[in-house]
Amino acid sequence: QSALTQPASVSGSPGQSITISCTGTSNDVGNYNLVSWYQQFPGKAPNLLISGDTERPSDISNRFSGSKSGYTASLTISGLQADDEADYYCCSYAGNSAYVFGSGTKVTVL
Amino acid sequence: QVQLVQSGAEVKKPGSSVKVSCKASGVTFRSHVISWVRQAPGQGLEWMGGITPIFNSAAYAHKFQGRVTITADESTTTAHMEISSLRPEDTAIYYCAGRVSGYYHFDHWGQGTLVTVTS
Repeated sequence: QSALTQPASVSGSPGQSITISCTGTSNDVGNYNLVSWYQQFPGKAPNLLISGDTERPSDISNRFSGSKSGYTASLTISGLQADDEADYYCCSYAGNSAYVFGSGTKVTVL
Repeated sequence: QVQLVQSGAEVKKPGSSVKVSCKASGVTFRSHVISWVRQAPGQGLEWMGGITPIFNSAAYAHKFQGRVTITADESTTTAHMEISSLRPEDTAIYYCAGRVSGYYHFDHWGQGTLVTVTS
């Protein structure tokens, strides 16, 4: 199972919106509405941002939103803030109790 | 409050084995699926496998089948992940990640365990 494809880095200025893409195949992203997104700060464990393609946990800011079209899922961060600077990973269910993560995207706030 | 607490860092020699534990509290262990995810230095996250305690059934990524064993002990609400035939490229932080059975995202994460493989 190959990693889902994400851009290595995305940057934006404070207040802007940025979008991180996550491209998979018909075996994972394209076959299940089960993409989740995680935020990871250096030296810390990942933290859930989005589940089920678009669902946001109640304790996550509404500046984070998820969407999907075909084999590509996306995470949008609106109103970019300095403390959004982190690594972001998508993850998809891939059938038979298996999962696959994305390659990860480093977000830089200019 | 859900907590996953992992065992401490390990230093191992190539060819040996290591067993990392993950103790769960604040959850109904039998219905909480525990996965193991690793992260090599400077690299991304990689799903290794997971176990559903209620079924005592584990699933593994193809890459790790035959070399990784995941078990769960309901009496201690602890999951374990053992890797055999360690190689230097197994040096990584190993995380346990929990999800509620029937859901497909990882709600809770352990603090991570650094395993260093060096001669």
